[in-house]
Amino acid sequence: AQSVTQLGSHVSVSEGALVLLRCNYSSSVPPYLFWYVQYPNQGLQLLLKYTTGATLVKGINGFEAEFKKSETSFHLTKPSAHMSDAAEYFCAVSDGSYGNNRLAFGKGNQVVVIP
Amino acid sequence: EPEVTQTPSHQVTQMGQEVILRCVPISNHLYFYWYRQILGQKVEFLVSFYNNEISEKSEIFDDQFSVERPDGSNFTLKIRSTKLEDSAMYFCASRGEDTQYFGPGTRLTVL
Repeated sequence: AQSVTQLGSHVSVSEGALVLLRCNYSSSVPPYLFWYVQYPNQGLQLLLKYTTGATLVKGINGFEAEFKKSETSFHLTKPSAHMSDAAEYFCAVSDGSYGNNRLAFGKGNQVVVIP
Repeated sequence: EPEVTQTPSHQVTQMGQEVILRCVPISNHLYFYWYRQILGQKVEFLVSFYNNEISEKSEIFDDQFSVERPDGSNFTLKIRSTKLEDSAMYFCASRGEDTQYFGPGTRLTVL
């Protein structure tokens, strides 16, 4: 079964500073990895994904993540935080082409951007 | 851009009552899912649905729960006799290729 670990439920970052959200996964098969963002009172919006191919993936709003198989990680970064980045971020893993693609989510990181 | 829609956005019900949560997946998607998020906890998988039948379900998805695709567009989650612990945000998702797209959720409150 797949699982995801996200440490630090609340992350504070200054406007203009680097955003770094850590995600480590466990999977018995080659994983598909996702970052979703949830703004207040809204659903889950896909930020970016890794399935196969290039390990550095770029998403919306200037975010990117790198799949590192040796570290079982898929950390999310953004060079310069903006006030609009305040939201909750979820890392998720699925069994990709090996099953029904059920997603296993991490606990999420609530990002607060300080002006 | 096509999106997943869910109704109602909020549902308040009494313990023991039946509720039906509705979802309209993206039209050309074939795989459908329900997840829930209890306040302060992880988003949890409930069930996946393909070709008019359940393809996988979690241990949470017991006999109180059922899913149905009654027509070509709707996908429903029924909870037969709600319990206090069913209070949560319920998300529907549909999958195209390798990515699941989520609806805005239904907040279910059981009193």
